Amino acid sequence: GAGVSQSPRYKVAKRGQDVALRCDPISGHVSLFWYQQALGQGPEFLTYFQNEAQLDKSGLPSDRFFAERPEGSVSTLKIQRTQQEDSAVYLCASSLELAGEDTQYFGPGTRLTVL
Amino acid sequence: KNQVEQSPQSLIILEGKNCTLQCNYTVSPFSNLRWYKQDTGRGPVSLTIMTFSENTKSNGRYTATLDADTKQSSLHITASQLSDSASYICVVFAEEAGTALIFGKGTTLSVSS
Repeated sequence: GAGVSQSPRYKVAKRGQDVALRCDPISGHVSLFWYQQALGQGPEFLTYFQNEAQLDKSGLPSDRFFAERPEGSVSTLKIQRTQQEDSAVYLCASSLELAGEDTQYFGPGTRLTVL
Repeated sequence: KNQVEQSPQSLIILEGKNCTLQCNYTVSPFSNLRWYKQDTGRGPVSLTIMTFSENTKSNGRYTATLDADTKQSSLHITASQLSDSASYICVVFAEEAGTALIFGKGTTLSVSS
């Protein structure tokens, strides 16, 4: 595809449910990032992959959050036992080169609402 | 603490007018600074990237400036259009741990006719 795609675009979950958010980066992009964006705030870093390696997960807020990119392309962000404070837009971005050195291309985001 | 502060928080201008958005940062060591435009319900789109050696960079009607000494940046929008209504986010990359992109909260710009 021409850009970064994310699915689903909207997800409503009951508190305690597990959710999985998918990101399809631009083909060939080495770096993949996940961000969490609360309403009216800027994105906050969650985790970073260089190909299939998760090099930085310092932004994950708790051990309920887990991300993977097993083949170095598609990535999944999983949230277990969702809580209301997990409600946010989850953005995925990819870049051709290593982290921070190149333009990041963002997907449209997945808006998660936890009831 | 690494921080990026943006001002104003929100701004309303008439179509055709110019405006300037401000970004102050306390990020170290500094590597580069980016400005993004984020339309409602969309992901951010990159406007400019500047390293510490660059003072200004333009992208159409958008011109970003950087003063690495005072740790300030501005984004100037010329002859605003209704489509410029969006959130503008300043992002600083700190070259530590390889991934530390620090985002500001953004300035919400509304252009009215």
